[in-house]
Amino acid sequence: GQNIDQPTEMTATEGAIVQINCTYQTSGFNGLFWYQQHAGEAPTFLSYNVLDGLEEKGRFSSFLSRSKGYSYLLLKELQMKDSASYLCAVLDSNYQLIWGAGTKLIIKP
Amino acid sequence: GAVVSQHPSWVICKSGTSVKIECRSLDFQATTMFWYRQFPKQSLMLMATSNEGSKATYEQGVEKDKFLINHASLTLSTLTVTSAHPEDSSFYICSARDPRTGGHTEAFFGQGTRLTVV
Repeated sequence: GQNIDQPTEMTATEGAIVQINCTYQTSGFNGLFWYQQHAGEAPTFLSYNVLDGLEEKGRFSSFLSRSKGYSYLLLKELQMKDSASYLCAVLDSNYQLIWGAGTKLIIKP
Repeated sequence: GAVVSQHPSWVICKSGTSVKIECRSLDFQATTMFWYRQFPKQSLMLMATSNEGSKATYEQGVEKDKFLINHASLTLSTLTVTSAHPEDSSFYICSARDPRTGGHTEAFFGQGTRLTVV
């Protein structure tokens, strides 16, 4: 079966750095996405990785290792507004998005 | 960027009635749209794939006679929850990918619809 694992919840301090990990086992791979979802709202796109390595976009960076079935989302200079759930999703061989359960990130002052 | 619009954003209905939710792609033609359901503190669950001009493909365990999907045009898909019951109360979200960018593209989401059945 297809499976995506990410921690259920993480806590970090405002101004600090946090890394959210995601491991996956899927039928094929056509890319990995990270989305941010605030409570009661739809997910918004953060990043897309299809090749190994680090993609940096402002305070957010995403890393991928296809051989290890592993990705992480790195958030720097944390702000209170970063409190949200972060969803990892993999595009499988049929171009279907397989979703992780999401990681709830709590930012403390 | 591509925009997907979903309406209504919230709805309260009586048990036994039907509710229609609309999902529109505003600046691209979406031959395929996806309908998700999300219960509190849980991840997105794909309900069905809506295909323009043909029948929707439902995921295992999703009742196609209860969740009617119509994708009559390249910019509109509708989800009708028929004979709604309190257990159908959930957050329903649609999404689409812009085919002009190929398969390697992010999904654009509608705003979501909070359905409460009383």
